[in-house]
Amino acid sequence: KQEVTQIPAALSVPEGENLVLNCSFTDSAIYNLQWFRQDPGKGLTSLLLIQSSQREQTSGRLNASLDKSSGRSTLYIAASQPGDSATYLCAVRRGAQKLVFGQGTRLTINP
Amino acid sequence: DTGVSQNPRHKITKRGQNVTFRCDPISEHNRLYWYRQTLGQGPEFLTYFQNEAQLEKSRLLSDRFSAERPKGSFSTLEIQRTEQGDSAMYLCASSSWTGSLNTIYFGEGSWLTVV
Repeated sequence: KQEVTQIPAALSVPEGENLVLNCSFTDSAIYNLQWFRQDPGKGLTSLLLIQSSQREQTSGRLNASLDKSSGRSTLYIAASQPGDSATYLCAVRRGAQKLVFGQGTRLTINP
Repeated sequence: DTGVSQNPRHKITKRGQNVTFRCDPISEHNRLYWYRQTLGQGPEFLTYFQNEAQLEKSRLLSDRFSAERPKGSFSTLEIQRTEQGDSAMYLCASSSWTGSLNTIYFGEGSWLTVV
């Protein structure tokens, strides 16, 4: 059974810092991995998707890496801003169907 | 492309009542998913449709839960005889099969509170 773990559960940093969120998964036979952002009481917004054959993806200040063999992914946020405050979720996909999510990292960027 | 739309956004119901949620996926997306999320947890998979066919159901989907996608477009999730443990956010998502580019897009969710 695939299990996804995100560390830390919560993170608070001052504005402007670069930061890394971690995601680990137990079964390396994944199809892809997706990072999402969730604001309080809202749905999920897709940030980045990394196919199993890829090592990283970049979008603006966000960079996600994937090391499938070790079962790890990181989300790097450069020059953090208060608007980046949200919960960040990673999810892995096996086959073409469901995503298995971690519990998320609740990020607070302090002005 | 107006995104995944879910209705109602909030529902408060008394225990024992039936509730129904509707999801309109992104047009031309042939895959539709339902997830449930409780406070402080990641979403958990409930069920998945490809076109009108329901291809997978989680053990979380008890016999009080039923999902349909009659014409392969919108979907409904009905919960019968609601229990307090059903209180959660119900998320709908959709995707299309276009080679390897199959990002899953989520709606804003439907909050259910059972009192």
